[in-house]
Amino acid sequence: QKEVEQDPGPLSVPEGAIVSLNCTYSNSAFQYFMWYRQYSRKGPELLMYTYSSGNKEDGRFTAQVDKSSKYISLFIRDSQPSDSATYLCAMNAGGGNKLTFGTGTQLKVEL
Amino acid sequence: EAGVTQSPTHLIKTRGQQATLRCSPISGHTSVYWYQQALGLGLQFLLWYDEGEERNRGNFPPRFSGRQFPNYSSELNVNALELEDSALYLCASSWDDDTWNTEAFFGQGTRLTVV
Repeated sequence: QKEVEQDPGPLSVPEGAIVSLNCTYSNSAFQYFMWYRQYSRKGPELLMYTYSSGNKEDGRFTAQVDKSSKYISLFIRDSQPSDSATYLCAMNAGGGNKLTFGTGTQLKVEL
Repeated sequence: EAGVTQSPTHLIKTRGQQATLRCSPISGHTSVYWYQQALGLGLQFLLWYDEGEERNRGNFPPRFSGRQFPNYSSELNVNALELEDSALYLCASSWDDDTWNTEAFFGQGTRLTVV
């Protein structure tokens, strides 16, 4: 069993939809949680960075962390075709950025 | 402000040769991380350098090695290249110590192809 599980998709939604992306994990030591967006053949771009449980909002993006359930989510409101990319969740226990990544969810937002 | 820069963008090597990949971190960042993104395997942690020292390494053979220079830039060396080493190699930088860390930012990667 992988430490971090993420549905690979692909996920296809119409423009303007609310997108929900999720990851589950097994290591209770994880306390830093990140979401990265990766366009094809490019490096990952940091979208959201959260510490411990709770919600964080930044523009159209909302990240949620539920440590009791070992479950994290990323919500994208008013999705745009430019949001089409692979979304990677990542996490670590602190003391350095040795990140454990999910396999990524491929998202396509259609006109 | 410049982000993390990696060179070269693409690299083609023959099996058995050595490859050298380079990374310049964001100004002010002292930690450099190397990750491998192979097709179908996702991002795998390779190495962590901080203040010129190797702080941690992932589950990779010793032929994957590197170093960090006094200006915090870093090199990743892969010896005795194998076909399975073909992947996108990503460098990230952040400001960390033993007890906490800040956001890690990635470069655009070096695509290594072993033929």
